[in-house]
Amino acid sequence: KAGVTQTPRYLIKTRGQQVTLSCSPISGHRSVSWYQQTPGQGLQFLFEYFSETQRNKGNFPGRFSGRQFSNSRSEMNVSTLELGDSALYLCASRLSGYEQYFGPGTRLTVT
Amino acid sequence: QQQVKQSPQSLIVQKGGIPIINCAYENTAFDYFPWYQQFPGKGPALLIAIRPDVSEKKEGRFTISFNKSAKQFSLHIMDSQPGDSATYFCAAGGRGSQGNLIFGKGTKLSVKP
Repeated sequence: KAGVTQTPRYLIKTRGQQVTLSCSPISGHRSVSWYQQTPGQGLQFLFEYFSETQRNKGNFPGRFSGRQFSNSRSEMNVSTLELGDSALYLCASRLSGYEQYFGPGTRLTVT
Repeated sequence: QQQVKQSPQSLIVQKGGIPIINCAYENTAFDYFPWYQQFPGKGPALLIAIRPDVSEKKEGRFTISFNKSAKQFSLHIMDSQPGDSATYFCAAGGRGSQGNLIFGKGTKLSVKP
């Protein structure tokens, strides 16, 4: 079975721009969660989608948003980018239990 | 209440040694405790996980010890190898976080040949 895939793998954006990241979960997995990883804050939960509905949200500003499509693929969007948004954005999928499987991440650099 | 504290931040051991990484949690509603291994440029990979109804779980060279009363759990890596050099993250989740994971800050392990 193919793992979680994320595109693009690397992205460079300028402050004030917006960005959209994409995630395809493991086949059959309907839950997709997004995490932000930075050296200072570590791994922090952004939000979770299940059956096209946001089920959970972490403590991030409204500039961070997401959505899920009927095929379980998910996108996250960050608007009005700030330097502090530079991070590795990770997507994880799970089936029905608690086990989450992560993708390779998208490395976002904001200049 | 939602924090997971992990120590040490970094660890250096000789090949064959047994590195031990410790984590402590606060929320007693957590009922799922996984460990992840992350290599540079890769996403975290699920190594092993434990539920609070058992005190120990082994998978290959990796063992989790769990102390429910102390709200602590640890990862032991038996017969460590240079290929185990990576960053290890503990996490907590389950009922206490609606299924999502609260991560520790990570431990960078280096296994010297």
